[in-house]
Amino acid sequence: AQKITQTQPGMFVQEKEAVTLDCTYDTSDQSYGLFWYKQPSSGEMIFLIYQGSYDEQNATEGRYSLNFQKARKSANLVISASQLGDSAMYFCAMRDEEAGGGNKLTFGTGTQLKVEL
Amino acid sequence: NAGVTQTPKFQVLKTGQSMTLQCAQDMNHNSMYWYRQDPGMGLRLIYYSASEGTTDKGEVPNGYNVSRLNKREFSLRLESAAPSQTSVYFCASSERLAGSRSDEQFFGPGTRLTVL
Repeated sequence: AQKITQTQPGMFVQEKEAVTLDCTYDTSDQSYGLFWYKQPSSGEMIFLIYQGSYDEQNATEGRYSLNFQKARKSANLVISASQLGDSAMYFCAMRDEEAGGGNKLTFGTGTQLKVEL
Repeated sequence: NAGVTQTPKFQVLKTGQSMTLQCAQDMNHNSMYWYRQDPGMGLRLIYYSASEGTTDKGEVPNGYNVSRLNKREFSLRLESAAPSQTSVYFCASSERLAGSRSDEQFFGPGTRLTVL
């Protein structure tokens, strides 16, 4: 069984600063994918970034980067130059990419990020 | 493209009532999913359909049934609603695309269900 742990229920960051949101995972699979989604107060789920378990380089998408440390089973999201619009709930999720996995996602409990002036 | 649409947006039920949540996607995706989101628990998978004609249980299937009506539509039915089913329900879809690595799930706007 796969498990995602997000230990920070809430985080504060000042505008223009960088922030790291923690995510650790547990799986016995060799092939898996890690995702981060953003959920603003309006409720929709927005895909941010993906990292495959065999990727040697950390994923980056604009101001988002994923600090992937496979041996430590961590996949932390780094947001650079925070903006007020980054205030939202952030979810880490894992996908089983073994054959027959069904592309299912297992989500963590989320981190509520508040960006302050 | 509308993406993933869900109806209704809000619903209040009494204990024991039944209802069906509708979901449709216009992205020609093979796979569709139903999640529920409860405070402090993240999203949990209820049922999924890897392709038209197939459905499988997720983490929390008890009290729910699903129908994959066609490639576009995937409905979730509560036969006898209970207060424990008060939640926000999300439908999602995805597709394994050649040359794409993430094949991320696309989510609908959610249905907020209250069972009294």
